[in-house]
Amino acid sequence: SQTIHQWPATLVQPVGSPLSLECTVEGTSNPNLYWYRQAAGRGLQLLFYSVGIGQISSEVPQNLSASRPQDRQFILSSKKLLLSDSGFYLCAWSVLHRGYEQYFGPGTRLTVT
Amino acid sequence: KNQVEQSPQSLIILEGKNCTLQCNYTVSPFSNLRWYKQDTGRGPVSLTIMTFSENTKSNGRYTATLDADTKQSSLHITASQLSDSASYICVVSAGIGNDMRFGAGTRLTVKP
Repeated sequence: SQTIHQWPATLVQPVGSPLSLECTVEGTSNPNLYWYRQAAGRGLQLLFYSVGIGQISSEVPQNLSASRPQDRQFILSSKKLLLSDSGFYLCAWSVLHRGYEQYFGPGTRLTVT
Repeated sequence: KNQVEQSPQSLIILEGKNCTLQCNYTVSPFSNLRWYKQDTGRGPVSLTIMTFSENTKSNGRYTATLDADTKQSSLHITASQLSDSASYICVVSAGIGNDMRFGAGTRLTVKP
């Protein structure tokens, strides 16, 4: 069966510090991978998606970046966090033979202070 | 303007009561529509998926309807339970299905 992992579960970082969130998927090959952010009480905002190793598409220009060094690993990074980067970050995967239904990870709660 | 609009934004009901959540969309070309349930602090989990030709689909106490002509969907929850308290997100896929548009969600609170 397929599983998706995200870590850390919670993170408190000061403004200006770097960020690295990791997401890994098990049990499937060549998935599409996604990073979303959800501000408090708001809907999901797609940040990045990837259809393969090294292939990243950015939906929203900002101080965040994403990388996919391995087929089932997706990393969200920032060199300098802003207060507005606080939120709930969700990673998701999808594959063609499941109709591109997205399966979400448990999320990372990021608070920038 | 968001291509997927959900209403109401929030809803409070008593345990055991029924409720209906609405989703209107303008996404085109339509591929499918999904309803997700998101518990607080967790990732969303799919409840139902409906394609163009389907107008009703049930998953236990959850029943989704789709009117592709008016581009409206509803999620009906029967005999609500405390565990139904969550955000319900409508997601419409366009094209071949990998272009997904998310609604802002309806926050449902079930009180005893």
